[in-house]
Amino acid sequence: ETGVTQTPRHLVMGMTNKKSLKCEQHLGHNAMYWYKQSAKKPLELMFVYSLEERVENNSVPSRFSPECPNSSHLFLHLHTLQPEDSALYLCASSQGTGLSYEQYFGPGTRLTVT
Amino acid sequence: GIQVEQSPPDLILQEGANSTLRCNFSDSVNNLQWFHQNPWGQLINLFYIPSGTKQNGRLSATTVATERYSLLYISSSQTTDSGVYFCAARRTGFQKLVFGTGTRLLVSP
Repeated sequence: ETGVTQTPRHLVMGMTNKKSLKCEQHLGHNAMYWYKQSAKKPLELMFVYSLEERVENNSVPSRFSPECPNSSHLFLHLHTLQPEDSALYLCASSQGTGLSYEQYFGPGTRLTVT
Repeated sequence: GIQVEQSPPDLILQEGANSTLRCNFSDSVNNLQWFHQNPWGQLINLFYIPSGTKQNGRLSATTVATERYSLLYISSSQTTDSGVYFCAARRTGFQKLVFGTGTRLLVSP
């Protein structure tokens, strides 16, 4: 248990569906992240939020839309996804975005796009 | 950005054996972390070690920042050590924590 929870743990959706992934951290951190882990590829950073403000968008397609309503919650809204978007989506948090802060990860949502 | 390479890509051990996993990075870094990803996908923090040596039970890690590598030592391995071990590094001026491709470890009884 890392103090970061994600729901749902598994999601199957069609290409025309709209769904949302939720992340919650119980660590009192101020920064939150979305990562994508595809088969045979390194983890890729998608978005960074610091104090509810997006500070990095790592060239992610607009069919992925993040939302950070407060420093404890992070959402990833999904719409009109493609089969190649099937992956494990990991949320992480850290005390801040400075270099010396460790990132702590949630258990992930395994997404399958059919 | 920096490149992070890990070796070996795969490792099979008998329970009780020791092993060393290596992480090379292409530029100077100010943040280096080791993670263990269990079979269910959960990433567990092992070490935050931008330099020096740390130990935690059967695991220890050493980072030689000037030579751009880090090592993770696993002693007396157990079946529960199986999974994928990732190192991730970050340098000044970049938000991104860059992950290596991992070492997949299988410890057999």
